[in-house]
Amino acid sequence: SQELEQSPQSLIVQEGKNLTINCTSSKTLYGLYWYKQKYGEGLIFLMMLQKGGEEKSHEKITAKLDEKKQQSSLHITASQPSHAGIYLCGADYTGTASKLTFGTGTRLQVTL
Amino acid sequence: EADIYQTPRYLVIGTGKKITLECSQTMGHDKMYWYQQDPGMELHLIHYSYGVNSTEKGDLSSESTVSRIRTEHFPLTLESARPSHTSQYLCASSGTGGRTEAFFGQGTRLTVV
Repeated sequence: SQELEQSPQSLIVQEGKNLTINCTSSKTLYGLYWYKQKYGEGLIFLMMLQKGGEEKSHEKITAKLDEKKQQSSLHITASQPSHAGIYLCGADYTGTASKLTFGTGTRLQVTL
Repeated sequence: EADIYQTPRYLVIGTGKKITLECSQTMGHDKMYWYQQDPGMELHLIHYSYGVNSTEKGDLSSESTVSRIRTEHFPLTLESARPSHTSQYLCASSGTGGRTEAFFGQGTRLTVV
């Protein structure tokens, strides 16, 4: 969707390196959801960020929402092969926490 | 661990056949969704339901139809499959209250030959 742009489209990092994925919205966000997908499988929920700006961390993954920029970033510290996959951001534009609009996805590869 | 199941995981079928993709969840969620995923990764909402006997078309036009006769069950049907229907179909559900995130099934990869 052009309403929600993710960058980069793909990323190859060496194990142990840090990386950041961005998700930028052209419309006002009520909430922003981050998911991870292994190729050909379903989406696994990572984190949800509320309108107003928020930062959350889980293990080595930190996500932030900048309300001014309508942008979210997902930062992985000391990447591991288990972090490889497709990362998707989903926007709640209705305030109902349903009918998410998804970004274009970022494919992450972690090399040894 | 999400309790939402899709069957079949993979389906190869001939043009013109009728197919039904099954989706069931055991979490008691009122909201259920069908997304279509392009090879380029982007997901598009094609159907959603806010409860029994409630179904709406999503943002992406689709020739498929859905029904919601029971809370836990949200099947998707294609009356006459075509090669253009080849895609990955993902079912999801979400609840209300404290936890709003959607839980996704494993997906059905459909190939129409």
